[in-house]
Amino acid sequence: DGGITQSPKYLFRKEGQNVTLSCEQNLNHDAMYWYRQDPGQGLRLIYYSQIVNDFQKGDIAEGYSVSREKKESFPLTVTSAQKNPTAFYLCASSILPEARTEAFFGQGTRLTVV
Amino acid sequence: GESVGLHLPTLSVQEGDNSIINCAYSNSASDYFIWYKQESGKGPQFIIDIRSNMDKRQGQRVTVLLNKTVKHLSLQIAATQPGDSAVYFCAEIGGSNYKLTFGKGTLLTVNP
Repeated sequence: DGGITQSPKYLFRKEGQNVTLSCEQNLNHDAMYWYRQDPGQGLRLIYYSQIVNDFQKGDIAEGYSVSREKKESFPLTVTSAQKNPTAFYLCASSILPEARTEAFFGQGTRLTVV
Repeated sequence: GESVGLHLPTLSVQEGDNSIINCAYSNSASDYFIWYKQESGKGPQFIIDIRSNMDKRQGQRVTVLLNKTVKHLSLQIAATQPGDSAVYFCAEIGGSNYKLTFGKGTLLTVNP
């Protein structure tokens, strides 16, 4: 089945550690996005990528890093520089607006710092 | 700067009534506006979108209205059902960088 897959669903991190969240899509979408969602809050954009080997900072990029070596994959690393990393992380992908705008979301990764 | 926001954080309606969720935006360069539905613990799901050169678009039980004069977007849900209970987000995309930006969300509760 086509779709976007995030893993793991739950992730626990010790303070001071880096962790990487996986996002894979087989929809042949050009654009991919990472969002952070805190309880009762909206989605805040961390990073986004329109094309392989290129990405842009979103509104809250500090303490995060990404790579886009393949069209299908857009992993997010939460570094030790991120002071409050506990949150729900959502990955999305979409065809660029010339075609359609519908962004497909993964089911999210819930990260907890212990 | 760019912003997408919502007028009402919560909305409670009776089953069978129509629901209207509102959204204000400030980026005149946005090409598309999109509504998403998010159920608890899940990722957002696309509902409907509208291009900036349109005023109205209809889907199944949903209608999106765009008023560019006052930079206002609304989602109308007809005959609201308990399964419609969720958080609804408006989002915008546009400019040359295809940045997809979300508003803060409205929690819709449908009472039986």
